[in-house]
Amino acid sequence: GESVGLHLPTLSVQEGDNSIINCAYSNSASDYFIWYKQESGKGPQFIIDIRSNMDKRQGQRVTVLLNKTVKHLSLQIAATQPGDSAVYFCAENRGGADGLTFGKGTHLIIQP
Amino acid sequence: DTAVSQTPKYLVTQMGNDKSIKCEQNLGHDTMYWYKQDSKKFLKIMFSYNNKELIINETVPNRFSPKSPDKAHLNLHINSLELGDSAVYFCASSPMRRETQYFGPGTRLLVL
Repeated sequence: GESVGLHLPTLSVQEGDNSIINCAYSNSASDYFIWYKQESGKGPQFIIDIRSNMDKRQGQRVTVLLNKTVKHLSLQIAATQPGDSAVYFCAENRGGADGLTFGKGTHLIIQP
Repeated sequence: DTAVSQTPKYLVTQMGNDKSIKCEQNLGHDTMYWYKQDSKKFLKIMFSYNNKELIINETVPNRFSPKSPDKAHLNLHINSLELGDSAVYFCASSPMRRETQYFGPGTRLLVL
């Protein structure tokens, strides 16, 4: 089975509010994590990544937090905008030669 | 100036047919991948290809075969298409393995 999963399949927030999308992983060997955004009819788009030697990384309006103790990853989006509506995936790279292992995805809905 | 491109965008075909999906990346990346996204949005790695080394996900039927004419291309050939092959197929590339992957726009395959 998959080792990466998301707590909430759908998250609805008001425009301008902050949102937090959570992700749990079970493979302790994973050393690289990525958040992707997928808009309807498009491919996954890279948002932000973090390596296991860090616990926080910030981008433009986005922050990723990594808690290795409880194997938890989160994506925080500040001041959400209508364009943030999409499905968000966390993905892990376990250090092997294969591709990314994706979580099931969270559908973020921004209410006007 | 599309980074990762796929053709066709839509593919509708009959069961039993053989079809190909093309992928090209102009990023100069060394590694390319194919993913399958099912109707529930779950993304799963099918293949990764790096410098003529092919890593195959063991769950992929041998009716699927990637072919790389050069470093910038990784095409996906599918023989004897089945109804269950209907999905969205994404190509991706990364500078090397274990680095951020960039996805193409997807090919929506419908087998009738």
